[in-house]
Amino acid sequence: DGGITQSPKYLFRKEGQNVTLSCEQNLNHDAMYWYRQDPGQGLRLIYYSQIVNDFQKGDIAEGYSVSREKKESFPLTVTSAQKNPTAFYLCASIEGGGANVLTFGAGSRLTVL
Amino acid sequence: DQQVKQNSPSLSVQEGRISILNCDYTNSMFDYFLWYKKYPAEGPTFLISISSIKDKNEDGRFTVFLNKSAKHLSLHIVPSQPGDSAVYFCAASAWTSGTYKYIFGTGTRLKVLA
Repeated sequence: DGGITQSPKYLFRKEGQNVTLSCEQNLNHDAMYWYRQDPGQGLRLIYYSQIVNDFQKGDIAEGYSVSREKKESFPLTVTSAQKNPTAFYLCASIEGGGANVLTFGAGSRLTVL
Repeated sequence: DQQVKQNSPSLSVQEGRISILNCDYTNSMFDYFLWYKKYPAEGPTFLISISSIKDKNEDGRFTVFLNKSAKHLSLHIVPSQPGDSAVYFCAASAWTSGTYKYIFGTGTRLKVLA
């Protein structure tokens, strides 16, 4: 079955460490997105990518970095510059060609100790 | 600046009755709207969507209404079932910087009482 795989599901990190969250999709979707969910704040857009080797900052990109070297993969690195990294991170993708349904992965929970 | 707002953080409804979840937006460039259902520690799942050229879309127990002049959309669930208890997010999309950008509201927690 096609879908989006996020790993790891749960991740613990010490302050000052960078961590990379994986997002892989086999839907052949063109655009991919990273969102962050915090209690009471809904989903906020971190980064998005329309095509390989191209990506744009979302509303809360500070302290994060991404790459899009392959169509299927859009990893997110949470750097030590992110002041409040503890959150639930969601990767999503969409087929190109017009407004469409955003498909989400199951999410990754990052906790900074 | 919150472009998509869900002003009710929570809603409780008796089983069998109608649930109405509301969403307001500010950007007139939004042209496609979606509703998602989410359980804790899981990704959101798509429920129903509506294009800005329509004012109603129906799928089984779920109906979405769009009032463009008021910049308001609502999700009706009839009849409500205990399994509908979850957090519901509305989202709005617009073409920007070469792709569709999706903005989400803060969510409404629906509790359906048996």
